[in-house]
Amino acid sequence: QVQLQLSGPGLVKPSQTLSLTCAISGDSVSSNSACWNWIRQSPSRGLEWLGRTYYRSKWVYEYGVSVKGRITINPDTSKNQFSLQLNSVTPEDTAVYYCARGADFQHWGPGTLVTVSS
Amino acid sequence: QTVVTQEPSLTVSPGGTVTLTCASSTGAVTSGYYPNWFQQKPGQAPRALIYFTSNKHSWTPARFSGSLLGGKAALTLSGVQPEDEAEYYCLLYYGGGWMFGGGTKLTVL
Repeated sequence: QVQLQLSGPGLVKPSQTLSLTCAISGDSVSSNSACWNWIRQSPSRGLEWLGRTYYRSKWVYEYGVSVKGRITINPDTSKNQFSLQLNSVTPEDTAVYYCARGADFQHWGPGTLVTVSS
Repeated sequence: QTVVTQEPSLTVSPGGTVTLTCASSTGAVTSGYYPNWFQQKPGQAPRALIYFTSNKHSWTPARFSGSLLGGKAALTLSGVQPEDEAEYYCLLYYGGGWMFGGGTKLTVL
């Protein structure tokens, strides 16, 4: 059974970088059949797909238009996890952040609230 | 700017049937948009129900079905149960990126 567990700070100051990690159990981040997504949810913006990475002979990265230019998703094969970095955050980036597995979004982590505030 | 539109709210009686739809501002939704549907209850992460238009996950109750209807993706609940009261979201693929709809709050009354 695939399980995803998020970790990272719950409070980030404006203009700084938001960093979260999603640890995977029950699958491999390097799987040739899976992909690994970041999603967030806020009252003002609803559910928002941020981006994903997957391995198909090489690593592929796809990012949502709303955060393109500020986002980086990185796989870490040694720890079987993947990370989210979002630069230059503002209070608008305050949200519950989720990681999810698959193009069918079959498995989701429990979500973590990240607040952007000084 | 692409927008994915869902009914903001719907009400259905227990045992009834209701169809939720998901429209794209770019035109008709086809299977190439790989429609996904999710259910979310308060305080919980979204739970996947339907993927790639009409495929069910192992945990998806039989009363849920997905289809394409009139140029939109559709989620139909037949024989609605009180526990189906929740927010429902669709998700469409736009060639390199995904976009969620604004959600439909389904009330069972």
